[in-house]
Amino acid sequence: AQSVTQLDSQVPVFEEAPVELRCNYSSSVSVYLFWYVQYPNQGLQLLLKYLSGSTLVKGINGFEAEFNKSQTSFHLRKPSVHISDTAEYFCAVSDRPYSGYSTLTFGKGTMLLVSP
Amino acid sequence: DAGVIQSPRHEVTEMGQEVTLRCKPISGHDYLFWYRQTMMRGLELLIYFNNNVPIDDSGMPEDRFSAKMPNASFSTLKIQPSEPRDSAVYFCASRDNRENTEAFFGQGTRLTVV
Repeated sequence: AQSVTQLDSQVPVFEEAPVELRCNYSSSVSVYLFWYVQYPNQGLQLLLKYLSGSTLVKGINGFEAEFNKSQTSFHLRKPSVHISDTAEYFCAVSDRPYSGYSTLTFGKGTMLLVSP
Repeated sequence: DAGVIQSPRHEVTEMGQEVTLRCKPISGHDYLFWYRQTMMRGLELLIYFNNNVPIDDSGMPEDRFSAKMPNASFSTLKIQPSEPRDSAVYFCASRDNRENTEAFFGQGTRLTVV
């Protein structure tokens, strides 16, 4: 069984400041990790994914995440946020390659609130 | 492609009534997923289909919930009878069968049962 813990339900930050959204997972097998973003009244959109290879993954809108196997973490970072980054961010894990019958287990989400 | 299309976007119904949520996946996608999002439990997978066949419905909360996929371009999630605790946002997502491709989500249906 897998689980995902997003340690912060809400992260307030000022525009142009750096931000880190934390995600820890548990799994007994190899994992594949994802970050999704949900803008107000929208569906979820994939930000980035880690399947294999380099542990530093770059995604859309200037976000990146680092897979740390020893700490079972996959924290999301952005060096300078914009007002438009205000949204809810979800970390998710799958226990197999993202194909076939793989499904995602989501964390409860972190609301990023960017203010001027 | 217009993406995954869900209808209605909002639904308010009275307890005990039947509710039907609809989803049109992206054309050519083999997998369709239904998720429920609540404040308490976050995003939960309810059921998913492959080539119109239900593969795993272990996330369906109880017998009041049912889902069908009569063809490759349409799926429904039905709640009968509805209860206030069913109030949530229900998302549909679809994906093709190539490796390392992500699921695409619809905009969701916000269901309120009063």
